[in-house]
Amino acid sequence: KNEVEQSPQNLTAQEGEFITINCSYSVGISALHWLQQHPGGGIVSLFMLSSGKKKHGRLIATINIQEKHSSLHITASHPRDSAVYICAVSTRDDKIIFGKGTRLHILP
Amino acid sequence: DAGITQSPRHKVTETGTPVTLRCHQTENHRYMYWYRQDPGHGLRLIHYSYGVKDTDKGEVSDGYSVSRSKTEDFLLTLESATSSQTSVYFCAIRAPDRNTEAFFGQGTRLTVV
Repeated sequence: KNEVEQSPQNLTAQEGEFITINCSYSVGISALHWLQQHPGGGIVSLFMLSSGKKKHGRLIATINIQEKHSSLHITASHPRDSAVYICAVSTRDDKIIFGKGTRLHILP
Repeated sequence: DAGITQSPRHKVTETGTPVTLRCHQTENHRYMYWYRQDPGHGLRLIHYSYGVKDTDKGEVSDGYSVSRSKTEDFLLTLESATSSQTSVYFCAIRAPDRNTEAFFGQGTRLTVV
């Protein structure tokens, strides 16, 4: 079983829809990261969370430490949001472990 | 953007040849990591380093070695490249403080023919 699980694996939605991507983990962590990767592109850090909630523009990330679960929300989605979104955790022994990613496609 | 550079960005090499990928950072972060990214697997840890001359194996280390003689450089070597090592390789850096962001290189696309 993967230590970091994301769902869904693929998501297609219409422009303007509210998007939720989920991440569950089974290891002890010091922080959780949400990352974005465009096709053929590099990896960009969107958020780093150790508790609560963070917001940046139309993106919101939440984490529930007790339930070992995090969500990434995109409000008023736009085609330029189309990318792979990756959940990663910094473990207590200082490794970074990644989920397999969620491929998001926003249709105009 | 964090100062992290991978080189080369693209490489095609023949089976059996040695290949070295370089990750260079200007952030003076102690922690550095090498990952490979493959369809269906996500990013998997190859090797990591917590400081100069302090390296350890990740989950997919077979066929790879690393060296860290300076804080700023983390080298990944494929001693004898195989087709199964065709992948996109990413370097990441992070400060030792637990609640710190990780930064990623732009990736190196390696093709072994």
